[in-house]
Amino acid sequence: QVQLVESGGGLVKPGGSLRLSCVASEFTFTAYYMTWIRQAPGKGLEWVGYISSSGYNIYYADSVKGRFTISRDNAKNSLYLQMNSLRVDDTAVYYCARGDDSFHFGGPGTVVTVSS
Amino acid sequence: QSALTQPASVSGSPGQSITLSCIGSNSDIGSYRLVSWYQQRPGKAPQLVIYEVTERPSGISNRFSGSKLGNTASLTISGLLAEDEADYYCCSFAGIGPVFGRGTKLTVL
Repeated sequence: QVQLVESGGGLVKPGGSLRLSCVASEFTFTAYYMTWIRQAPGKGLEWVGYISSSGYNIYYADSVKGRFTISRDNAKNSLYLQMNSLRVDDTAVYYCARGDDSFHFGGPGTVVTVSS
Repeated sequence: QSALTQPASVSGSPGQSITLSCIGSNSDIGSYRLVSWYQQRPGKAPQLVIYEVTERPSGISNRFSGSKLGNTASLTISGLLAEDEADYYCCSFAGIGPVFGRGTKLTVL
């Protein structure tokens, strides 16, 4: 059973920054691509970006490119999302998920609210 | 990348079979066998129920089945149960990253 625990969400003003973390367990973290997916209130799922198992290849959605940075620390079984220049429309629940073409969600997500 | 097209809502009675559709394009569903489906109950994280068009993850009931024809993918749920009431999202690889549908709300009457 994939276990993923997201943290780091909160309330931030437009233009601010947040760093999300995701700690993985119950699978071999180093073997998998990892992905961030978000869901705005009352809306559907949106892919944010993913990172290869080595961390060498990283891809982003156009909506976050240049503002968000995905990284991972394989020694700590951890995935990160650095979010800068946050906008009101970045408000969402942020999930980390295992995989790159289908996604195993393993945690409740973390809520990010961007508001003045 | 444009979102995949899903009906906003579908309903069915217990015991019935229902099929949810997901319409894409030659850039996503039509080009890859990388279609997945997710069930999301209120207040919960999504759960993968189908991957690679037809495959079921371990632990998912065989009442769930997937298919694809051209640019359209489908999820069929047979023997509907009350617990199947949820939002369902389709997803397809689309080159650089995946694209999701906007979701279908399944109501079990």
